Amino acid sequence: KAGVTQTPRYLIKTRGQQVTLSCSPISGHRSVSWYQQTPGQGLQFLFEYFSETQRNKGNFPGRFSGRQFSNSRSEMNVSTLELGDSALYLCASSPEPPGQGHIQYFGAGTRLSVL
Amino acid sequence: SQQGEEDPQALSIQEGENATMNCSYKTSINNLQWYRQNSGRGLVHLILIRSNEREKHSGRLRVTLDTSKKSSSLLITASRAADTASYFCATRGYNTNAGKSTFGDGTTLTVKP
Repeated sequence: KAGVTQTPRYLIKTRGQQVTLSCSPISGHRSVSWYQQTPGQGLQFLFEYFSETQRNKGNFPGRFSGRQFSNSRSEMNVSTLELGDSALYLCASSPEPPGQGHIQYFGAGTRLSVL
Repeated sequence: SQQGEEDPQALSIQEGENATMNCSYKTSINNLQWYRQNSGRGLVHLILIRSNEREKHSGRLRVTLDTSKKSSSLLITASRAADTASYFCATRGYNTNAGKSTFGDGTTLTVKP
């Protein structure tokens, strides 16, 4: 079974641009979560989707948005990029709905650099 | 601040020694999980312990949970150079609207051959 796939692996953007990151969960997994990881802030929760519905949202500005498609694939978008958005963005999938203490399977991440 | 806080922040040991990492959290939890992350990569799930469990084993890993102290520990026995990585604890609450994992800052473990 293929693992969680995130594309692209690396991305370089300039301030003010927008970016879209993609995540394909493990086949059969319907829950997808996104995290931002930076040296200063650690792992911060962005969103959690289940069956195309956003179930949880972290404390990030409205520039960060996401969605989930009917095949459970998910995308996250960051508009008007700032230098501080440079980070490793991790996607995780799970076979269970949120709130049931499920194990998350992480992708390798997308390394975003904002210049 | 993060729900989980690992201690120590960094740990350096010789191959064959045991490594112990601790995690403290602040609110009631449904379960606590430990993950490993190799440099710049995704996280790999190691072990999950539920709030009604006190100890769990998986191979060379031993996890304990003390809900009265809101703390957990991860013990890696007979460490190997390949265990070099960052280790994170993650907690999940009972509230279905809080079904997200909250990660600590991690412990960076270096195992010297």
